[in-house]
Amino acid sequence: DQQVKQNSPSLSVQEGRISILNCDYTNSMFDYFLWYKKYPAEGPTFLISISSIKDKNEDGRFTVFLNKSAKHLSLHIVPSQPGDSAVYFCAASKGPNTGTASKLTFGTGTRLQVTL
Amino acid sequence: ETGVTQSPTHLIKTRGQQVTLRCSSQSGHNTVSWYQQALGQGPQFIFQYYREEENGRGNFPPRFSGLQFPNYSSELNVNALELDDSALYLCASSPGTGGETQYFGPGTRLLVL
Repeated sequence: DQQVKQNSPSLSVQEGRISILNCDYTNSMFDYFLWYKKYPAEGPTFLISISSIKDKNEDGRFTVFLNKSAKHLSLHIVPSQPGDSAVYFCAASKGPNTGTASKLTFGTGTRLQVTL
Repeated sequence: ETGVTQSPTHLIKTRGQQVTLRCSSQSGHNTVSWYQQALGQGPQFIFQYYREEENGRGNFPPRFSGLQFPNYSSELNVNALELDDSALYLCASSPGTGGETQYFGPGTRLLVL
């Protein structure tokens, strides 16, 4: 049962344009969401997160939007740069003070290619 | 500030053998989580250690075990290796339990022949 889904395995965007990566989840207990970027032969690098009490969080060129009613989040990268080419993973967890381990449940990733 | 480190970077074992992977958490972090990432998949949670105690386990058999030491470094042990254990093993540290951001090491790539 895939609780976090990234339905687009790949995305190609021109340099300078907006990249939009999407993620859907099914478990309504998730209340903390993260995006990680992964280059080959490296571990995932944390990009940005959002708590379920917010619907938007911004950090420089990266913005994450959360639509709880639709159980959907998206990562916007503006403007896209060639160095953004990587695999992007969406992850979710049950937030603080739930009494359980804060394990992350990951999607299968979207490979972003930013072309010149 | 030192990030999460893992050793070794690569490892080749044969079926039935045992392996130990090591992780040093980021300074100030007392929680370590281990994940397995198979090719083409997202990382899957194996277990988490908080202050030297196991604090949650994913859907992995008991032959996957771990330890956390007083300095918060950690080991992942896998007994009776199977071909399907071939994967990237990732260690992540965080300040404490409960949904905080987890910071990953570079991983150990294990190949079981």
